[in-house]
Amino acid sequence: NAGVTQTPKFQVLKTGQSMTLQCAQDMNHEYMSWYRQDPGMGLRLIHYSVGAGITDQGEVPNGYNVSRSTTEDFPLRLLSAAPSQTSVYFCASSPGLNNEQFFGPGTRLTVL
Amino acid sequence: RKEVEQDPGPFNVPEGATVAFNCTYSNSASQSFFWYRQDCRKEPKLLMSVYSSGNEDGRFTAQLNRASQYISLLIRDSKLSDSATYLCVVLGGGADGLTFGKGTHLIIQP
Repeated sequence: NAGVTQTPKFQVLKTGQSMTLQCAQDMNHEYMSWYRQDPGMGLRLIHYSVGAGITDQGEVPNGYNVSRSTTEDFPLRLLSAAPSQTSVYFCASSPGLNNEQFFGPGTRLTVL
Repeated sequence: RKEVEQDPGPFNVPEGATVAFNCTYSNSASQSFFWYRQDCRKEPKLLMSVYSSGNEDGRFTAQLNRASQYISLLIRDSKLSDSATYLCVVLGGGADGLTFGKGTHLIIQP
């Protein structure tokens, strides 16, 4: 199993550009989530999904959209990038909340 | 608002020493507790779950104190490879109930 994969690993955007961060898992996990990690702030939940077709907002959802058309994929869309979205983004999956969360390697995003 | 608090450190500890750090949580309805380890510029990985009766895995011991609302992590005979950031994770009520602490930075010195 590849586990949780994320692409790209690094990305530089200009303010106002849009892009999609990809996340995929091959463990047939129902629960998937997106976090951002900033210095001194810890991991903050952006959006999460408890299964295909179901998504919900986390702590910091503004400026981001998600969809869950399949169990495997959970892309994160930045609609109009802003410098405040410069961060490291982690995708995670698990069989359920009470189980180990498996994280992808992260995407380091810089918005100029 | 659910909160999970950790001392950010850094904890500078000589190799072979024992080190312990705590994590406090504010939501008394929290159900599950975990310690994750994160190496520099890497993703977090589960270190151990924390059970009501405590949990030991080799040199690592995790304990839960529900009355005082904190969990602890004890590392015995510390190794250089233990240098990392340790994240406390608390599961409260609801599907979005996972809350991460900001982490405690541990540096093991030779």
